[in-house]
Amino acid sequence: KAGVTQTPRYLIKTRGQQVTLSCSPISGHRSVSWYQQTPGQGLQFLFEYFSETQRNKGNFPGRFSGRQFSNSRSEMNVSTLELGDSALYLCASSSRLGALGEQFFGPGTRLTVL
Amino acid sequence: AQTVTQSQPEMSVQEAETVTLSCTYDTSESDYYLFWYKQPPSRQMILVIRQEAYKQQNATENRFSVNFQKAAKSFSLKISDSQLGDAAMYFCAYRSASSDYKLSFGAGTTVTVRA
Repeated sequence: KAGVTQTPRYLIKTRGQQVTLSCSPISGHRSVSWYQQTPGQGLQFLFEYFSETQRNKGNFPGRFSGRQFSNSRSEMNVSTLELGDSALYLCASSSRLGALGEQFFGPGTRLTVL
Repeated sequence: AQTVTQSQPEMSVQEAETVTLSCTYDTSESDYYLFWYKQPPSRQMILVIRQEAYKQQNATENRFSVNFQKAAKSFSLKISDSQLGDAAMYFCAYRSASSDYKLSFGAGTTVTVRA
């Protein structure tokens, strides 16, 4: 079974631009979560989608948004990029919603904002 | 909000020796799950071990074991017979069993293994 895939792996943008990151979960997994990883703030939860509905959201500004499609693929969008948005963005998929659902992580997308 | 604290930014261990990583957490809930994740330099995060709070028995996965002290809100990871492939950043994480299911991570501990 293929693992979680994220595209692109690396991205360079300038301040003010917007960016869209993509995550394809493991086949059959319906839950997708997104995390931001920075040296200063560590790993922080962004949001979780299950069956195309956002089920949970972290403490991030409205510039961060996401969606999930009927095939469970998910996209995350960041508008009006700021320097502080430079981070590794990790996606994780799970077969079920809830605490028992083991999360499988993708390799991440490294976003650099100049 | 749950807080997860890893007080050891870095740990070094000799190959074949044992190292213990500490983790404490703060919660008012009684039902939750605790995890240790490993993130090697390749950046792919993988689950090492999981502990359900309602289980008194400490979880074990091959050379990895935990010491779960619920009253003390402590969840340490012991790596026995350390191998070069164990070198990575290790994250302790908390997940509620009854409210939102997001993972709350600690700051991480970098483990280096000396040959």
